[in-house]
Amino acid sequence: EAGVAQSPRYKIIEKRQSVAFWCNPISGHATLYWYQQILGQGPKLLIQFQNNGVVDDSQLPKDRFSAERLKGVDSTLKIQPAKLEDSAVYLCASSLASQGEYEQYFGPGTRLTVT
Amino acid sequence: AQTVTQSQPEMSVQEAETVTLSCTYDTSESDYYLFWYKQPPSRQMILVIRQEAYKQQNATENRFSVNFQKAAKSFSLKISDSQLGDAAMYFCALLGGQNFVFGPGTRLSVLP
Repeated sequence: EAGVAQSPRYKIIEKRQSVAFWCNPISGHATLYWYQQILGQGPKLLIQFQNNGVVDDSQLPKDRFSAERLKGVDSTLKIQPAKLEDSAVYLCASSLASQGEYEQYFGPGTRLTVT
Repeated sequence: AQTVTQSQPEMSVQEAETVTLSCTYDTSESDYYLFWYKQPPSRQMILVIRQEAYKQQNATENRFSVNFQKAAKSFSLKISDSQLGDAAMYFCALLGGQNFVFGPGTRLSVLP
Protein backbone atom coordinates (compact mmCIF):
# COMPACT_ATOMS: atom_id res chain seq x y z
CA GLU A 1 0.00 0.00 0.00
CA ALA A 2 1.42 3.37 -1.01
CA GLY A 3 1.87 5.91 1.76
CA VAL A 4 1.06 9.59 1.88
CA ALA A 5 2.91 11.44 -0.87
CA GLN A 6 3.99 15.06 -0.64
CA SER A 7 5.82 17.37 -2.99
CA PRO A 8 8.06 19.21 -3.16
CA ARG A 9 10.29 17.92 -0.34
CA TYR A 10 12.15 21.20 -0.01
CA LYS A 11 11.38 24.75 -1.05
CA ILE A 12 13.26 28.01 -0.58
CA ILE A 13 11.50 31.27 -1.39
CA GLU A 14 11.86 34.92 -0.57
CA LYS A 15 9.38 36.70 1.67
CA ARG A 16 6.30 38.00 -0.09
CA GLN A 17 6.54 35.25 -2.72
CA SER A 18 3.90 32.55 -3.04
CA VAL A 19 4.31 28.80 -2.70
CA ALA A 20 2.13 25.73 -3.04
CA PHE A 21 2.41 22.25 -1.56
CA TRP A 22 0.75 19.11 -2.80
CA CYS A 23 -0.43 16.04 -0.92
CA ASN A 24 -1.85 12.72 -2.09
CA PRO A 25 -3.30 10.68 0.79
CA ILE A 26 -3.50 6.95 1.17
CA SER A 27 -6.16 5.56 -1.14
CA GLY A 28 -9.53 5.38 0.54
CA HIS A 29 -8.66 7.71 3.41
CA ALA A 30 -11.49 10.17 3.85
CA THR A 31 -9.78 12.51 6.27
CA LEU A 32 -6.80 14.67 5.32
CA TYR A 33 -4.83 16.98 7.58
CA TRP A 34 -2.30 19.73 6.99
CA TYR A 35 0.06 20.57 9.85
CA GLN A 36 2.74 23.17 10.36
CA GLN A 37 5.71 21.97 12.40
CA ILE A 38 8.24 24.55 13.52
CA LEU A 39 11.63 23.15 14.48
CA GLY A 40 11.57 21.62 17.96
CA GLN A 41 7.80 21.81 18.34
CA GLY A 42 4.88 19.50 17.90
CA PRO A 43 2.69 19.64 14.79
CA LYS A 44 0.10 22.39 14.72
CA LEU A 45 -3.08 21.63 12.82
CA LEU A 46 -3.79 24.08 10.02
CA ILE A 47 -6.77 22.47 8.35
CA GLN A 48 -8.68 19.21 8.39
CA PHE A 49 -10.78 17.88 5.50
CA GLN A 50 -13.39 15.16 5.55
CA ASN A 51 -13.68 14.12 1.92
CA ASN A 52 -13.80 17.51 0.17
CA GLY A 53 -15.38 19.43 3.04
CA VAL A 54 -13.54 21.43 5.70
CA VAL A 55 -13.96 20.11 9.25
CA ASP A 56 -11.62 22.48 11.07
CA ASP A 57 -9.65 25.46 9.80
CA SER A 58 -9.68 27.50 12.96
CA GLN A 59 -5.88 27.81 13.10
CA LEU A 60 -5.34 28.52 9.43
CA PRO A 61 -4.13 32.12 8.85
CA LYS A 62 -6.72 32.77 6.21
CA ASP A 63 -5.29 36.11 5.14
CA ARG A 64 -2.33 34.28 3.59
CA PHE A 65 -2.98 30.54 3.69
CA SER A 66 -5.50 28.63 1.62
CA ALA A 67 -6.14 24.95 1.03
CA GLU A 68 -8.41 22.89 -1.12
CA ARG A 69 -9.21 19.26 -1.62
CA LEU A 70 -11.06 19.04 -4.88
CA LYS A 71 -12.77 15.70 -5.56
CA GLY A 72 -11.95 14.57 -2.03
CA VAL A 73 -8.61 13.02 -2.92
CA ASP A 74 -5.41 15.04 -3.22
CA SER A 75 -4.98 18.45 -1.69
CA THR A 76 -2.96 21.63 -2.12
CA LEU A 77 -1.90 24.14 0.51
CA LYS A 78 -0.91 27.62 -0.63
CA ILE A 79 0.82 30.50 1.08
CA GLN A 80 0.59 33.96 -0.45
CA PRO A 81 2.45 36.10 0.46
CA ALA A 82 4.98 34.21 2.56
CA LYS A 83 6.51 35.65 5.72
CA LEU A 84 9.74 34.75 7.45
CA GLU A 85 7.81 33.07 10.27
CA ASP A 86 6.28 30.62 7.80
CA SER A 87 9.59 28.75 7.68
CA ALA A 88 8.66 25.29 8.90
CA VAL A 89 7.95 21.74 7.80
CA TYR A 90 4.48 21.30 6.38
CA LEU A 91 3.12 17.85 7.07
CA CYS A 92 0.22 16.15 5.39
CA ALA A 93 -1.50 13.22 7.05
CA SER A 94 -4.48 11.05 6.23
CA SER A 95 -6.75 8.77 8.16
CA LEU A 96 -9.45 6.24 7.33
CA ALA A 97 -11.38 7.67 10.30
CA SER A 98 -13.85 4.80 10.41
CA GLN A 99 -14.15 1.12 11.27
CA GLY A 100 -11.99 1.67 14.33
CA GLU A 101 -9.07 2.96 12.25
CA TYR A 102 -8.45 6.48 13.46
CA GLU A 103 -4.70 6.81 13.48
CA GLN A 104 -3.05 9.24 11.14
CA TYR A 105 -0.44 8.32 8.56
CA PHE A 106 2.03 11.03 7.71
CA GLY A 107 3.84 12.02 4.57
CA PRO A 108 7.52 12.97 4.54
CA GLY A 109 6.75 16.68 4.77
CA THR A 110 7.82 19.74 2.83
CA ARG A 111 10.54 21.83 4.42
CA LEU A 112 9.93 25.50 3.60
CA THR A 113 12.57 28.15 4.11
CA VAL A 114 11.54 31.77 3.68
CA THR A 115 14.45 34.21 3.32
CA ALA B 1 -10.67 22.57 24.46
CA GLN B 2 -8.56 19.42 24.43
CA THR B 3 -4.98 19.55 25.64
CA VAL B 4 -2.00 17.21 25.69
CA THR B 5 0.96 17.83 27.98
CA GLN B 6 4.37 16.21 27.89
CA SER B 7 6.35 17.45 30.87
CA GLN B 8 9.71 16.00 29.83
CA PRO B 9 11.26 18.00 26.98
CA GLU B 10 14.27 15.66 26.91
CA MET B 11 15.06 12.20 28.21
CA SER B 12 17.99 9.86 27.86
CA VAL B 13 18.40 6.12 28.36
CA GLN B 14 21.22 3.66 28.15
CA GLU B 15 21.06 1.10 25.39
CA ALA B 16 19.19 -2.05 26.54
CA GLU B 17 17.61 -0.21 29.48
CA THR B 18 13.98 0.80 29.97
CA VAL B 19 12.59 4.32 29.80
CA THR B 20 9.15 5.79 30.43
CA LEU B 21 7.84 8.91 28.70
CA SER B 22 5.01 10.80 30.39
CA CYS B 23 1.87 12.26 28.88
CA THR B 24 -1.22 13.77 30.45
CA TYR B 25 -4.27 14.98 28.62
CA ASP B 26 -7.61 16.63 29.08
CA THR B 27 -10.79 16.12 27.13
CA SER B 28 -14.50 16.35 27.72
CA GLU B 29 -15.20 13.56 25.26
CA SER B 30 -16.28 10.22 26.68
CA ASP B 31 -14.98 8.31 23.68
CA TYR B 32 -11.47 9.08 22.51
CA TYR B 33 -8.21 7.59 21.28
CA LEU B 34 -4.65 8.10 22.38
CA PHE B 35 -1.52 7.63 20.32
CA TRP B 36 2.24 7.79 20.57
CA TYR B 37 4.11 8.86 17.45
CA LYS B 38 7.85 8.72 16.80
CA GLN B 39 9.69 11.22 14.62
CA PRO B 40 13.36 10.33 14.01
CA PRO B 41 15.66 13.20 13.03
CA SER B 42 14.75 14.46 9.56
CA ARG B 43 12.52 11.49 9.02
CA GLN B 44 8.86 10.71 8.77
CA MET B 45 6.43 10.63 11.69
CA ILE B 46 5.30 7.08 12.36
CA LEU B 47 2.75 5.57 14.71
CA VAL B 48 4.20 3.64 17.63
CA ILE B 49 1.13 2.56 19.54
CA ARG B 50 -2.55 3.38 20.02
CA GLN B 51 -5.04 2.99 22.84
CA GLU B 52 -8.83 3.18 22.73
CA ALA B 53 -10.16 4.88 25.85
CA TYR B 54 -12.93 2.31 26.30
CA LYS B 55 -10.41 -0.51 26.60
CA GLN B 56 -9.06 -1.14 30.07
CA GLN B 57 -6.21 -3.33 28.91
CA ASN B 58 -3.00 -1.46 28.19
CA ALA B 59 -1.79 -1.66 24.60
CA THR B 60 1.49 -3.41 23.79
CA GLU B 61 3.53 -3.50 20.59
CA ASN B 62 6.71 -5.54 20.93
CA ARG B 63 9.09 -3.46 23.11
CA PHE B 64 6.59 -0.61 23.44
CA SER B 65 3.79 -0.57 25.99
CA VAL B 66 1.57 2.03 27.58
CA ASN B 67 0.27 2.66 31.07
CA PHE B 68 -3.18 4.13 30.55
CA GLN B 69 -4.70 5.62 33.69
CA LYS B 70 -8.08 6.92 32.58
CA ALA B 71 -9.14 8.51 35.85
CA ALA B 72 -5.84 10.35 36.12
CA LYS B 73 -5.88 11.20 32.39
CA SER B 74 -2.39 9.82 32.06
CA PHE B 75 -0.93 7.91 29.12
CA SER B 76 2.75 7.02 29.51
CA LEU B 77 4.91 5.11 27.05
CA LYS B 78 7.40 2.50 28.21
CA ILE B 79 10.22 1.44 25.92
CA SER B 80 11.96 -1.75 26.98
CA ASP B 81 15.39 -2.94 25.82
CA SER B 82 16.09 0.47 24.27
CA GLN B 83 17.94 0.47 20.97
CA LEU B 84 19.94 3.17 19.21
CA GLY B 85 17.20 3.37 16.60
CA ASP B 86 14.73 4.45 19.26
CA ALA B 87 16.37 7.88 19.41
CA ALA B 88 13.75 10.35 18.19
CA MET B 89 11.12 12.89 19.16
CA TYR B 90 8.11 11.21 20.68
CA PHE B 91 4.71 12.87 20.48
CA CYS B 92 1.66 11.97 22.49
CA ALA B 93 -1.60 12.66 20.65
CA LEU B 94 -5.30 12.66 21.47
CA LEU B 95 -8.26 12.20 19.17
CA GLY B 96 -11.51 13.27 20.76
CA GLY B 97 -14.58 13.89 18.63
CA GLN B 98 -13.04 14.95 15.35
CA ASN B 99 -10.22 16.93 16.92
CA PHE B 100 -6.65 15.64 16.87
CA VAL B 101 -4.23 17.32 19.31
CA PHE B 102 -0.49 16.69 19.65
CA GLY B 103 1.69 17.31 22.67
CA PRO B 104 4.93 19.32 22.43
CA GLY B 105 7.09 16.21 22.29
CA THR B 106 9.89 14.55 24.25
CA ARG B 107 13.32 14.18 22.69
CA LEU B 108 14.73 10.77 23.56
CA SER B 109 18.46 10.09 23.34
CA VAL B 110 19.82 6.56 23.53
CA LEU B 111 23.34 6.26 24.90
CA PRO B 112 25.57 3.40 23.73
